[in-house]
Amino acid sequence: QKEVEQNSGPLSVPEGAIASLNCTYSDRGSQSFFWYRQYSGKSPELIMSIYSNGDKEDGRFTAQLNKASQYVSLLIRDSQPSDSATYLCAVNKGASGTYKYIFGTGTRLKVLA
Amino acid sequence: ETGVTQTPRHLVMGMTNKKSLKCEQHLGHNAMYWYKQSAKKPLELMFVYSLEERVENNSVPSRFSPECPNSSHLFLHLHTLQPEDSALYLCASSQAREPLHFGNGTRLTVT
Repeated sequence: QKEVEQNSGPLSVPEGAIASLNCTYSDRGSQSFFWYRQYSGKSPELIMSIYSNGDKEDGRFTAQLNKASQYVSLLIRDSQPSDSATYLCAVNKGASGTYKYIFGTGTRLKVLA
Repeated sequence: ETGVTQTPRHLVMGMTNKKSLKCEQHLGHNAMYWYKQSAKKPLELMFVYSLEERVENNSVPSRFSPECPNSSHLFLHLHTLQPEDSALYLCASSQAREPLHFGNGTRLTVT
């Protein structure tokens, strides 16, 4: 079992729709969760971080965390063609690895104009 | 300068060459990282330094040699690399459990 799993996609959504990206993780001790966006040939840039169960909203982005289900998601409202990128889920292993950040393989999102 | 800066942006080297990647962070973070990103694979953690001490070493071949002279600078020394080492090498910094901040990366091609 991979430590952080994401569907590789591509996930195609029409412009203006909601894109829903999902991620599961295996280490129950994980404490910090992050979503990064990576354009082709570029480095990852942080979109959202979430540390406690529930929803966290920032503009068009909402991160959702459910530690009991070991599940974290990212919703992108009013999707734009510029949102087309690969979205990486990252997990910090907390007590079992303060400086250990594990990444999923990423989900490629295509927003169709 | 702000954030995390990496040099060079692109590097082509032969298998017998020796080269170094450089990273500098201006964020006051206490940890610095090297990650490798190959096509169709997740980001692979190579090394972590916290307060200039190596705290993670993910079974990386000895042809990769990290150096952290202080909390703001990190190097990755490369020698006798293989073609399969061609990848994007990313430097990052963070405070513990806080988000990683990445540099722009070095695209390495080994010929």
